[in-house]
Amino acid sequence: AQTVTQSQPEMSVQEAETVTLSCTYDTSENNYYLFWYKQPPSRQMILVIRQEAYKQQNATENRFSVNFQKAAKSFSLKISDSQLGDTAMYFCAFNDMRFGAGTRLTVKP
Amino acid sequence: DAMVIQNPRYQVTQFGKPVTLSCSQTLNHNVMYWYQQKSSQAPKLLFHYYDKDFNNEADTPDNFQSRRPNTSFCFLDIRSPGLGDAAMYLCATSSPHQQETQYFGPGTRLLVL
Repeated sequence: AQTVTQSQPEMSVQEAETVTLSCTYDTSENNYYLFWYKQPPSRQMILVIRQEAYKQQNATENRFSVNFQKAAKSFSLKISDSQLGDTAMYFCAFNDMRFGAGTRLTVKP
Repeated sequence: DAMVIQNPRYQVTQFGKPVTLSCSQTLNHNVMYWYQQKSSQAPKLLFHYYDKDFNNEADTPDNFQSRRPNTSFCFLDIRSPGLGDAAMYLCATSSPHQQETQYFGPGTRLLVL
């Protein structure tokens, strides 16, 4: 069974600074997808970024990028130039059905 | 806009009284999911449909059932809600043609009295 671990229950960052959220996973599969989802307070979950395991290049979406280390089974999310609107729960997900416990990120003005 | 819709947004039921939560989608996705999310926890997959094929998670209680009469609609039936079933219930959809990204509805918050 696949497991997804997020070891940081809560994090905070000053507006305009950079923060990295950690995620590790366990799987015996070779081809899979990894996702970061954002769930703002009282709002619905939306996709932040997606990585296909067979792609060596790290995915990037504007201020969001990942550091995907397949051998280490690590998939961290870097948020650059943090904005107040980035305040949310962030969930790492494996093949979109297994979620980590989440990291609550607060961006401080 | 194409979307995932959940009704109602808030549902109050009594202990042991059956309740049904609804989900509809205009994305024409062939996969639909039901998750249970308790406060500040990760969403927990209850079951999913791939077209009409039903896939139940091994640890989903028998108290939870689902129906998918067509591509657009999916229902979550809780036959005898207990206090521990109070949670946010999330519906999501995906398509293999969109690299499995899930699109979530706003959720239904269930309160059991």
